[in-house]
Amino acid sequence: DVKVTQSSRYLVKRTGEKVFLECVQDMDHENMFWYRQDPGLGLRLIYFSYDVKMKEKGDIPEGYSVSREKKERFSLILESASTNQTSMYLCAWGFYNEQFFGPGTRLTVL
Amino acid sequence: GENVEQHPSTLSVQEGDSAVIKCTYSDSASNYFPWYKQELGKRPQLIIDIRSNVGEKKDQRIAVTLNKTAKHFSLHITETQPEDSAVYFCAASTHGQNFVFGPGTRLSVLP
Repeated sequence: DVKVTQSSRYLVKRTGEKVFLECVQDMDHENMFWYRQDPGLGLRLIYFSYDVKMKEKGDIPEGYSVSREKKERFSLILESASTNQTSMYLCAWGFYNEQFFGPGTRLTVL
Repeated sequence: GENVEQHPSTLSVQEGDSAVIKCTYSDSASNYFPWYKQELGKRPQLIIDIRSNVGEKKDQRIAVTLNKTAKHFSLHITETQPEDSAVYFCAASTHGQNFVFGPGTRLSVLP
């Protein structure tokens, strides 16, 4: 049973802070994704990666960057957090057509 | 790019009744359509999916239908139970890449 873990379930940060959200999967899978989930908007893709050191922009990459130095770890970075980045962030990994989600990190930016 | 719409945004049914959630997509290249269920405070989990070479798929009380010509697909839940209460998301993708999700439907099954 593949496990996807995210570094924190709840996080509170201040405007302007640099924020790191970590996602780790315990299998040797290439495809990893970062989404944010907001009421009424569903899940929106921020960035994804199909291999180490590879990254592709999703639908809403502005204000975010990512890092994939090792296959099992995919990090989402908010260079300078803003209040409109308050959201639930979900990491996922993909195997063929399916996506499996981590537990999520609820980020509040004050 | 792909755009996925989902209706209704909220749905209340009596226990034992059927529930239907509909999604439309815009990109004719999309060929994989999963449905996710997210219970309160939990992660989304895949409950059923359908590929573009199939018109209907059933798994016990849930079924999904796909109309490629009209670019819409639907989730059908029969004999609803209180544990079916959750938010349901549809999605569309091309070859399992670049998933685009609908905004979600909050289903409430009333006892």
